[in-house]
Amino acid sequence: EAQVTQNPRYLITVTGKKLTVTCSQNMNHEYMSWYRQDPGLGLRQIYYSMNVEVTDKGDVPEGYKVSRKEKRNFPLILESPSPNQTSLYFCASSLFGQAENIQYFGAGTRLSVL
Amino acid sequence: DAKTTQPPSMDCAEGRAANLPCNHSTISGNEYVYWYRQIHSQGPQYIIHGLKNNETNEMASLIITEDRKSSTLILPHATLRDTAVYYCIVRALNDYKLSFGAGTTVTVRA
Repeated sequence: EAQVTQNPRYLITVTGKKLTVTCSQNMNHEYMSWYRQDPGLGLRQIYYSMNVEVTDKGDVPEGYKVSRKEKRNFPLILESPSPNQTSLYFCASSLFGQAENIQYFGAGTRLSVL
Repeated sequence: DAKTTQPPSMDCAEGRAANLPCNHSTISGNEYVYWYRQIHSQGPQYIIHGLKNNETNEMASLIITEDRKSSTLILPHATLRDTAVYYCIVRALNDYKLSFGAGTTVTVRA
């Protein structure tokens, strides 16, 4: 089954404790992206990647890092989480260079930073 | 991306058709209209997209006006499981970022 898998689904952590949210897709998609969703602010893009070793900032990249060492994986790294990063996070992927690309989303990771 | 305008909410009776409007008066010639939905904090789900012609798939129909300045998503027989936030998004072929607005919260009532 084609899917985007995020782990963990829920995470409670404390300020400053480094964490990684993993994202993996099994559709051989080139493009992958991270979004965060906050009440009243909608979904905002954090980082995206056009292919292996190619990443770029989205609208709200501060406090986050990403890497794309393999095509299927696109982890989101919070080096020193802060309470304002408490949010619902989504990973998405799509084919690149297609005339009508459709993005597929993971189930989400709900993060609470205390 | 062209800005879209959707009503904030609407109700629909179960089994009836739900017609969701979207205005995109500044849409460019190379921009598609996409519809996604999000069911209660789950990941957004693709529904349908179109450029000029009306489109239909197993989930919904998309009606785009001739001048392309507005469109309507039609859920032909709404069920309780269709209760969700529906997003109308306009973007060009080479723009991979999805700009989600506030969407329309659709509540299907028994």
